[in-house]
Amino acid sequence: DIQMTQSPSLLSASVGDRVTLNCKASQNIYKNLAWYQQKLGEAPKLLIYNANSLQTGIPSRFSGSGSGTDFTLTISSLQPEDVATYFCQQYYSGSTFGAGTKLELK
Amino acid sequence: QVKLLQSGAALVKPGASVKMSCKASGYTFTDYWVSWVKQSHGKSLEWIGEIYPNSGATNFNEKFKGKATLTVDKSTSTAYMELSRLTSEDSAIYYCTRVRGRSSYIYHYWGQGVMVTVSS
Repeated sequence: DIQMTQSPSLLSASVGDRVTLNCKASQNIYKNLAWYQQKLGEAPKLLIYNANSLQTGIPSRFSGSGSGTDFTLTISSLQPEDVATYFCQQYYSGSTFGAGTKLELK
Repeated sequence: QVKLLQSGAALVKPGASVKMSCKASGYTFTDYWVSWVKQSHGKSLEWIGEIYPNSGATNFNEKFKGKATLTVDKSTSTAYMELSRLTSEDSAIYYCTRVRGRSSYIYHYWGQGVMVTVSS
């Protein structure tokens, strides 16, 4: 099974900061990676797919990059509504999720 | 617009089974795979399995084979998941999802989730 490792597990940042979340796959998954945002008490929401494609309706401050084993989700200017837990998911072989990065305001 | 409406929370005894539903609307139900995802309290997400409503074909995470049964009712555009021989490890929120493309594991739409509590 492909393992997904996210770092950091907890990130504190201020409004307006540029924020970077990391996700590493245990083997090459090419660009078969998605990012989801989950706010407290809600279902996850798809943000990014195919590593760098922005889902329709998602603010352009969110962007994804990477291929192979190393991936990044970047929020260019953190907004209060971005407080959430972010999960990466590989779909190259089956489907597995990372443990998540909890993003909070400093 | 696409909606997935799941059944309500369930409290079940150890060793029993539970069946939950996911009613789809806003798209052609038979055209897209429906996947089920487990989220244990405060933890990450696990893919359980998927079903293609048009044919009833299923695929499962090895971990959930024998635990989960997936079915559909095309006449009501409803997908079902039954979990058997429940233990405390099965206490979790269960989501149904619709994939983004016709054949992908990208989970575009999500139901609101069903909280299952296993307790005597």
